[in-house]
Amino acid sequence: EVQLVESGGGLVQPGGSLRLSCAASGFTFSSYWMHWVRQAPGKGLVWVSRINSDGSSTSYADSVKGRFTISRDNAKNTLYLQMNSLRAEDTAVYYCARDGGFKANSDYWGQGTLVTVSS
Amino acid sequence: QPVLTQPPSASASLGASVTLTCTLSSGYSNYKVDWYQQRPGKGPRFVMRVGTGGIVGSKGDGIPDRFSVLGSGLNRYLTIKNIQEEDESDYHCGADHGSGSNFVWVFGGGTKLTVL
Repeated sequence: EVQLVESGGGLVQPGGSLRLSCAASGFTFSSYWMHWVRQAPGKGLVWVSRINSDGSSTSYADSVKGRFTISRDNAKNTLYLQMNSLRAEDTAVYYCARDGGFKANSDYWGQGTLVTVSS
Repeated sequence: QPVLTQPPSASASLGASVTLTCTLSSGYSNYKVDWYQQRPGKGPRFVMRVGTGGIVGSKGDGIPDRFSVLGSGLNRYLTIKNIQEEDESDYHCGADHGSGSNFVWVFGGGTKLTVL
């Protein structure tokens, strides 16, 4: 069974940093591209970042470019999102999602972790 | 990049049918769209991908036969027949654009489906 479990969310002050983790199991993590997608309270889904299977290629939404960094450790089956210079508008539930290849942009999602940026 | 538009809400009675619509912006009529179901307090769940020829590939794990899709012009439809209480969810459509460092994945605003 595919499982994606996010952690690392919490309350952080504006300008602060946080690192999210996503532990993957039930599939060969090193074979899949991965995404981070966020959802502000009561709002829709917004794509944040994508990384290829070996971590050599990344892409970011303009809203986080230069502030967030996606990475992965295939030996630990874990995806990361380093978030710096956080702003109030970054407040959201952050989901990791497995890329579905030709089947879908994502075929499995985690349950999310809440990040709140507030003083 | 495309813009995806969804009505914010829809409703249907138990056992009835409902069709949800996702509309692509002009110039993107050949784009495929993915549908996702999101139950309250849960992460999204892949339903299926749709192009102008209908379903692309297979449905997501555990998606019942009551769910089907169609595509026409700029519209991508998700139809749910014999609606059940567990179908009450937010439904999101999404599409990707570009490649490499120019890749973006855009979503519609989501449609909240209420089962009456």
